[in-house]
Amino acid sequence: NAGVTQTPKFQVLKTGQSMTLQCAQDMNHEYMSWYRQDPGMGLRLIHYSVGAGITDQGEVPNGYNVSRSTTEDFPLRLLSAAPSQTSVYFCASNPHTGGGETQYFGPGTRLLVL
Amino acid sequence: EDKVVQSPLSLVVHEGDTVTLNCSYEVTNFRSLLWYKQEKKAPTFLFMLTSSGIEKKSGRLSSILDKKELFSILNITATQTGDSAVYLCAVESVRYSTLTFGKGTMLLVSP
Repeated sequence: NAGVTQTPKFQVLKTGQSMTLQCAQDMNHEYMSWYRQDPGMGLRLIHYSVGAGITDQGEVPNGYNVSRSTTEDFPLRLLSAAPSQTSVYFCASNPHTGGGETQYFGPGTRLLVL
Repeated sequence: EDKVVQSPLSLVVHEGDTVTLNCSYEVTNFRSLLWYKQEKKAPTFLFMLTSSGIEKKSGRLSSILDKKELFSILNITATQTGDSAVYLCAVESVRYSTLTFGKGTMLLVSP
């Protein structure tokens, strides 16, 4: 199993550009989440999904869109990047039967918006 | 709104010292409290706590939860330079297992 994979590892954008951060898992997990981490901060929940076709907002959803068309993939879209979205983004997945100890994190995507 | 507060935010100790990291929380539908270690990459799971007063232990690390006072501590004994990291506390909600994280404690262990 590859676990949770994220692409790209690093990206530089100009203000106003759009892009999609990819996240995939091969563990057949129902739950998937996106977090962002800023310097000196813990992780903050952006969006999450409890299954294909079902998504909901987390603590900091503004400026981000998500969709979940398959169990495996959970892309995060920035429609018009802003410098405030400079951050490290982590995707996570866990089975609906498990608790937090079964939450798997991807390696992260470092995003710089100029 | 769920809330997690960690203290101290940063800590410098000498190798061999014992440290205690604190985590207090407010959460609407508590399922568990989790501790993670983060070293410039994704967080690594350490402990999950669901019941008060039951200590979880792994080598030199241990943790305990007090659900009445809404806090947890993480102890590290005989610290080593490899313990240098950010330690994150998170609470898990019953609803969909989403996590609310604290800001973390940055621990630096000097030789």
